[in-house]
Amino acid sequence: GAVVSQHPSRVICKSGTSVKIECRSLDFQATTMFWYRQFPKQSLMLMATSNEGSKATYEQGVEKDKFLINHASLTLSTLTVTSAHPEDSSFYICSARLAGGTGITDTQYFGPGTRLTVL
Amino acid sequence: AQSVTQPDIHITVSEGASLELRCNYSYGATPYLFWYVQSPGQGLQLLLKYFSGDTLVQGIKGFEAEFKRSQSSFNLRKPSVHWSDAAEYFCAVGPTLGQAGTALIFGKGTTLSVSS
Repeated sequence: GAVVSQHPSRVICKSGTSVKIECRSLDFQATTMFWYRQFPKQSLMLMATSNEGSKATYEQGVEKDKFLINHASLTLSTLTVTSAHPEDSSFYICSARLAGGTGITDTQYFGPGTRLTVL
Repeated sequence: AQSVTQPDIHITVSEGASLELRCNYSYGATPYLFWYVQSPGQGLQLLLKYFSGDTLVQGIKGFEAEFKRSQSSFNLRKPSVHWSDAAEYFCAVGPTLGQAGTALIFGKGTTLSVSS
């Protein structure tokens, strides 16, 4: 249980185009999903927190007009990189929060990541 | 400020030898603690987590971790390392009660290499 998928796993696009990445919780409902970015040999950097039915909360320094996040349902969040440029090339990972029965404890489960290369 | 420190950037262990990866945290209250493993080009897999109770936590793949409040540490251990354990390991702290929905804070990671 608690599986998170991402699609696509790998995408190559031309500079100036937009790319959409999907994050799905396959066997549970996720009221909150998180989007991270990871540079080579680096840790994960939180980009934004996505709550179902509301606007995403972006971390400082992350352009919300460039990284559009939509969390339309309890099992799906999408990240759209608009007008992508080579510096946007990175490994993007989402996670979904599995709420505990008591609401006290929760665990985040991570997707397998999406490798974006912008030419 | 909340932070996680993994002092060792890279560790090499012989196959069959024991392993300990260090993790120290700075958090306002008792945090929830996690260890994740990441293979090259892959996402993160949860190894184990500590929320409360017994301070020695057992995880998957033969890993365990011990929470030591006095040292603000949550070190990961494995008695006998296998070549397939070579990967990147991340320690993370998470939200406590009342902060559900807050993202995890990750350490910079420790790369584990296993020599034969």
